[in-house]
Amino acid sequence: GQQVMQIPQYQHVQEGEDFTTYCNSSTTLSNIQWYKQRPGGHPVFLIQLVKSGEVKKQKRLTFQFGEAKKNSSLHITATQTTDVGTYFCAGRETGRRALTFGSGTRLQVQP
Amino acid sequence: ETGVTQSPTHLIKTRGQQVTLRCSSQSGHNTVSWYQQALGQGPQFIFQYYREEENGRGNFPPRFSGLQFPNYSSELNVNALELDDSALYLCASSLVGGPSSDTQYFGPGTRLTVL
Repeated sequence: GQQVMQIPQYQHVQEGEDFTTYCNSSTTLSNIQWYKQRPGGHPVFLIQLVKSGEVKKQKRLTFQFGEAKKNSSLHITATQTTDVGTYFCAGRETGRRALTFGSGTRLQVQP
Repeated sequence: ETGVTQSPTHLIKTRGQQVTLRCSSQSGHNTVSWYQQALGQGPQFIFQYYREEENGRGNFPPRFSGLQFPNYSSELNVNALELDDSALYLCASSLVGGPSSDTQYFGPGTRLTVL
């Protein structure tokens, strides 16, 4: 079945440093979504990418979808303590109902 | 806040028992999906309901079953509980056919502990 891998599992940065998490799918995706889960909370939708090579920005966050629609990345510029949490990518194969989540990257930001 | 609510918040059961978890979808949403999230892992898709019918299922055994009601609220039932069923159970609603039909709006979850 479809597998979605995320690296790194964990990243600890100083406030103001940049952060990147990478997501790779074993199969081609119709779209990829990113979610953030704060400690003790539930996943919150950040963005969805649909087109091959798509790049979207939300303030300090930049999301990319690979040309082959099998990989994606999330880059945060100048991290803040409010960025703390676990970032999940989630991909859907064309024609499938299941949304497959990666195992997440936990971000810790040192003030 | 997403407007998706779940009950109960926490639950403790013993092995072999049965449990029912409940979810109230965001207003206007017609689809509900259930996920199991083990500690330190990403959510795993259990199944999805659309117009009161199961519309897709992940790799979970038949003892995991569900219902969706005409008001789009939903239940997840788990029979013959096993220790490995201990997890956070998340309900997510979405609007199939809408402009962002794939976006999942998650509820706060039910923490199930099986002893």
